[in-house]
Amino acid sequence: DTAVSQTPKYLVTQMGNDKSIKCEQNLGHDTMYWYKQDSKKFLKIMFSYNNKELIINETVPNRFSPKSPDKAHLNLHINSLELGDSAVYFCASSRGPSSGNTIYFGEGSWLTVV
Amino acid sequence: GQQVMQIPQYQHVQEGEDFTTYCNSSTTLSNIQWYKQRPGGHPVFLIQLVKSGEVKKQKRLTFQFGEAKKNSSLHITATQTTDVGTYFCAGDNQGGKLIFGQGTELSVKP
Repeated sequence: DTAVSQTPKYLVTQMGNDKSIKCEQNLGHDTMYWYKQDSKKFLKIMFSYNNKELIINETVPNRFSPKSPDKAHLNLHINSLELGDSAVYFCASSRGPSSGNTIYFGEGSWLTVV
Repeated sequence: GQQVMQIPQYQHVQEGEDFTTYCNSSTTLSNIQWYKQRPGGHPVFLIQLVKSGEVKKQKRLTFQFGEAKKNSSLHITATQTTDVGTYFCAGDNQGGKLIFGQGTELSVKP
């Protein structure tokens, strides 16, 4: 009964490949996020969707494309992977878009680009 | 743009010693949240502070929100090995976006 689940947990791939990370939440939340955590543990928001609508789109390369088929799912597709994309990607959700809401994180997807 | 600065970046303590991490914002925050991430894990919500000067306690953890709502601290009394992890503050500048601090990584030597 995991609240925010994302797959795969580990992903090792070569430069230039395209990969996707899937995320689902069963909390009934309206808002979902993708965060990137680099090797220095810095948590940076990439995207946020509220009821399938994109509401936050930070300065992220166009190679990253989020897709939200419904409010319980937010997938992340990455084209032409680069070495610098290696990081942990966290999916998360919250009841609403207001920053006063608690954010529930998934367990993370460890991406290694070689 | 708004920044949320957190210090120290690392803290190594002997079990039983106290630990404090500080969070400072360049702008007034409407609220501040604290999260803990265990090694290899994901950030987990600890608490939210909303009022100026607010102090909240969770067992050995004491959270404070500054009077000007620009800074916050987390103090752990008598650390235990289970306290190991990275502690993040996250603040909102009333612009609707939560900004995470860089985190303080705590290691506890038994």
